[in-house]
Amino acid sequence: AQSVTQPDIHITVSEGASLELRCNYSYGATPYLFWYVQSPGQGLQLLLKYFSGDTLVQGIKGFEAEFKRSQSSFNLRKPSVHWSDAAEYFCAVGPDSSYKLIFGSGTRLLVRP
Amino acid sequence: EAGVAQSPRYKIIEKRQSVAFWCNPISGHATLYWYQQILGQGPKLLIQFQNNGVVDDSQLPKDRFSAERLKGVDSTLKIQPAKLEDSAVYLCASSLATFGQRENEQFFGPGTRLTVL
Repeated sequence: AQSVTQPDIHITVSEGASLELRCNYSYGATPYLFWYVQSPGQGLQLLLKYFSGDTLVQGIKGFEAEFKRSQSSFNLRKPSVHWSDAAEYFCAVGPDSSYKLIFGSGTRLLVRP
Repeated sequence: EAGVAQSPRYKIIEKRQSVAFWCNPISGHATLYWYQQILGQGPKLLIQFQNNGVVDDSQLPKDRFSAERLKGVDSTLKIQPAKLEDSAVYLCASSLATFGQRENEQFFGPGTRLTVL
């Protein structure tokens, strides 16, 4: 069965520090992978996506993610976190037969001043 | 470009009552989705429309939930009767791609937060 695991429920980092959010997936074919961000009271906003090609993908707001097939991972990174990055982050995988996105349970990012 | 619109933003009802949510997708988007997001969890797809036809409703509790997308534009999601476990945020999303195209991007609305007492 297809699934997405985000092992960290909460992560706290200091402003200016680097960030890595983990995402592991279980999928039977080439995955289509996404990272979304959700601020309080807001809908989900797409940060970046991976369909094929270069395994390091750049997204909005200075985020990047690296697809590692051997580890079934798609971790999200940012070199220097800003206080406005505090939000909940969701990793998702798209199966190849439809558009249904399967989401992880999310990681809440807290930023210390 | 206007985003996905949803209303109401908040709704509080008693169990066994009925409730309806409305979604207006981005203009021209063929595909519309309803997701349920329970507190502490990621969104879970309830139903997916392609124009006004249902593509996937395998996770929709059909004994109490119904959805329609008349004329392939706006959509309504209804719960009747509501249960306590239906308390969640209901997210609507839309995408331009037609069925069979893999490079879809879903654009999400702000959601409707439902509290069932």
